[in-house]
Amino acid sequence: RKEVEQDPGPFNVPEGATVAFNCTYSNSASQSFFWYRQDCRKEPKLLMSVYSSGNEDGRFTAQLNRASQYISLLIRDSKLSDSATYLCVVTFNTGGFKTIFGAGTRLFVKA
Amino acid sequence: ETGVTQSPTHLIKTRGQQVTLRCSSQSGHNTVSWYQQALGQGPQFIFQYYREEENGRGNFPPRFSGLQFPNYSSELNVNALELDDSALYLCASSPGSYNSPLHFGNGTRLTVT
Repeated sequence: RKEVEQDPGPFNVPEGATVAFNCTYSNSASQSFFWYRQDCRKEPKLLMSVYSSGNEDGRFTAQLNRASQYISLLIRDSKLSDSATYLCVVTFNTGGFKTIFGAGTRLFVKA
Repeated sequence: ETGVTQSPTHLIKTRGQQVTLRCSSQSGHNTVSWYQQALGQGPQFIFQYYREEENGRGNFPPRFSGLQFPNYSSELNVNALELDDSALYLCASSPGSYNSPLHFGNGTRLTVT
């Protein structure tokens, strides 16, 4: 089983749609959780950190469920500029520090 | 504020050769981590350096090694290159706290022929 698993995608949605990304992680000792965005042929960039209480940043909402080892990202009112790959990221420190990325879910937002 | 810079941007090597990739961390950041990203995949964690010491390593063989210098810049060395080492190599720096976000460089595209 992979340490971090994401929906395989791709997701094709019209502008204005709401889209949800799901991610599960296997290490119960995981400490920190993030969503990164990666545009084609570019480096990943932080979209948002994910906190236990859930957090929102404009059209983006992230949720964490430690009991189920599950992270989600919701994008409301999708824009063309949201088209990118969304990467779920988990860090843990068991026998050494590790930062584990999911394989990513590609999003295409169409006009 | 200077961001993370990597060099070179592109590199072509032959199987069996050795390569060194370089990374300058963002000002104020004492932690550097390296990732390998194959096409269509997420970045794979190679290792992390904190204040010149390796403090975490992913599932990569010993021929992948690194260094961090007193100014917190870093090198990734790969010996005995294999065709499967062809990938984008990303360096990221952070201010050291485990819950700090990563700031990535633009990456080095390595092709092994």
